[in-house]
Amino acid sequence: GAGVSQSPSNKVTEKGKDVELRCDPISGHTALYWYRQSLGQGLEFLIYFQGNSAPDKSGLPSDRFSAERTGGSVSTLTIQRTQQEDSAVYLCASSLGTSGTGATGELFFGEGSRLTVL
Amino acid sequence: AQSVTQLGSHVSVSEGALVLLRCNYSSSVPPYLFWYVQYPNQGLQLLLKYTTGATLVKGINGFEAEFKKSETSFHLTKPSAHMSDAAEYFCAVAGGGKLIFGQGTELSVKP
Repeated sequence: GAGVSQSPSNKVTEKGKDVELRCDPISGHTALYWYRQSLGQGLEFLIYFQGNSAPDKSGLPSDRFSAERTGGSVSTLTIQRTQQEDSAVYLCASSLGTSGTGATGELFFGEGSRLTVL
Repeated sequence: AQSVTQLGSHVSVSEGALVLLRCNYSSSVPPYLFWYVQYPNQGLQLLLKYTTGATLVKGINGFEAEFKKSETSFHLTKPSAHMSDAAEYFCAVAGGGKLIFGQGTELSVKP
């Protein structure tokens, strides 16, 4: 596609339910990133993929969070047993990774998935 | 480890006035530095970036930033603010295969 596509754009869920957020990167971009944006917290790195591998998942807040990427393309971020503190905008970005060095260049962002946990 | 600090979570200027958004970085290697802008209810968009070469970098919408190694700074400026510049601005440094963002500065422009 022309840009990074994320779905759903908005998700309201009840505490304790599982949610899946999807990211479709720009075609040909080998690197894919997940960030979380909470009110007043800036952008918090979660995980990034180079191809289907995740060299750095250090930002995942707990074992309730997981992500996968298949076929070097679409990625899914899964949050199990959601808590109210998980409420945030989840941003996905992609880039032309070079030699595994990741973000030496521009990241292209989607518009985000806004998650509200009641 | 790389990090960035943005001074001032909120900056307010009058239309036509100078815009100055401050960013200081920490990096153990020559840094790649970025400024992104986020308009309300939109994703982030690249304003400009510094990798190597000329230390004064020009970006979109009349913004520019100067890399100053001696001051470990990469401040964003625009000579004359427009109402349409109202947005949140993020400074970032590349490190460990990812971008590390500052906390953001919200710019308000008064008529």
